[in-house]
Amino acid sequence: DAGVIQSPRHEVTEMGQEVTLRCKPISGHNSLFWYRQTMMRGLELLIYFNNNVPIDDSGMPEDRFSAKMPNASFSTLKIQPSEPRDSAVYFCASSSGQPGGYEQYFGPGTRLTVT
Amino acid sequence: GDSVTQMEGPVTLSEEAFLTINCTYTATGYPSLFWYVQYPGEGLQLLLKATKADDKGSNKGFEATYRKETTSFHLEKGSVQVSDSAVYFCALTRNTGTASKLTFGTGTRLQVTL
Repeated sequence: DAGVIQSPRHEVTEMGQEVTLRCKPISGHNSLFWYRQTMMRGLELLIYFNNNVPIDDSGMPEDRFSAKMPNASFSTLKIQPSEPRDSAVYFCASSSGQPGGYEQYFGPGTRLTVT
Repeated sequence: GDSVTQMEGPVTLSEEAFLTINCTYTATGYPSLFWYVQYPGEGLQLLLKATKADDKGSNKGFEATYRKETTSFHLEKGSVQVSDSAVYFCALTRNTGTASKLTFGTGTRLQVTL
């Protein structure tokens, strides 16, 4: 089992640039979550999908952030334009969504630094 | 709304000491409860879970019991090792019939020394 795969693992970019983070969920999982972790705010849910459909995007900070899930095996989180306050570790997680199996499995994260 | 409260860290213990990390929650209905562990530079790993009242989750010597009457899910281990040094997160999710968001506590850092 390959687990949740995220790329890149590290991203350093300049303010104003576009950033795209990628995620491949565990095969067979039908729910996908994007979280952000910072020292100040801890773990925050940004958006999640069930069966490729966005269910709750209330955690997306502002219009600069967008997420897509074009198919069951791939999702992207895009920030355009990026700002220094977007610096954080971004985690993707997936879940089977079956009763008794609501646990989420996390990827290794993408550490984003915006200078 | 839902919330999870964990004891403040850091917690510093000597190897082979007994560990307790307190966790209490507020939620509507009967959530599922989890403990996750995060090692430096890594993602969160599921440590254990409990899906209904009085369930005991266990893994790698860690245990936690779902106590509905006290709305608690305290993490325990009888004898910690240096390799257990990490940040531990208590979390809950609602049982809605499909996966939904995890509500996390703020995390408790554990440092185990020789």
